[in-house]
Amino acid sequence: KAGVTQTPRYLIKTRGQQVTLSCSPISGHRSVSWYQQTPGQGLQFLFEYFSETQRNKGNFPGRFSGRQFSNSRSEMNVSTLELGDSALYLCASSLRGRFTTNEKLFFGSGTQLSVL
Amino acid sequence: AQSVAQPEDQVNVAEGNPLTVKCTYSVSGNPYLFWYVQYPNRGLQFLLKYITGDNLVKGSYGFEAEFNKSQTSFHLKKPSALVSDSALYFCAVDVSGSSNTGKLIFGQGTTLQVKP
Repeated sequence: KAGVTQTPRYLIKTRGQQVTLSCSPISGHRSVSWYQQTPGQGLQFLFEYFSETQRNKGNFPGRFSGRQFSNSRSEMNVSTLELGDSALYLCASSLRGRFTTNEKLFFGSGTQLSVL
Repeated sequence: AQSVAQPEDQVNVAEGNPLTVKCTYSVSGNPYLFWYVQYPNRGLQFLLKYITGDNLVKGSYGFEAEFNKSQTSFHLKKPSALVSDSALYFCAVDVSGSSNTGKLIFGQGTTLQVKP
């Protein structure tokens, strides 16, 4: 089974631009979560989607948005990029996002975004 | 507020010696606890998970973790460290509870350095 696939692997943007990151979950997984990883803040939860609906959202400004398609693939968008948005963006998938069961999160390798 | 703490930024051990990476948590209700490992330029890989039951959880690559409710701890252990275990380790807790929305809170991470 293919793992979680994120594209692109690396991105370089300038301040003020916008960016779209893509994530393909493991086949059969319907829950997709996004995390931002930085050296200073560690791993921070952005949002989670299940069946095309956002179920949970972290404490990020409205410049960060996402969506999920009917095939469970997900995209996240960051508008009006700031220097502080430079980070590794990780996508993770699970069957239904129910960790009270044996479910676990499977992570992609991430998209490294650099904002200049 | 629900949180996870990893009190050590770095742990150094000699190859062949036992290792412990510490994690404490603060959550309301039953905790669902995870350990993940991250190698350079990669996403997070699942090691093990505590749901309920046996306080000693066995995971991948010879790792295990001990759940201690009274001390609110979930320390990661391995009887004999390998140089290849050198990586960044994250403890995480499911905070979605009954809402089942796939959100994990991660600790800041602990770098494990195993020296030959």
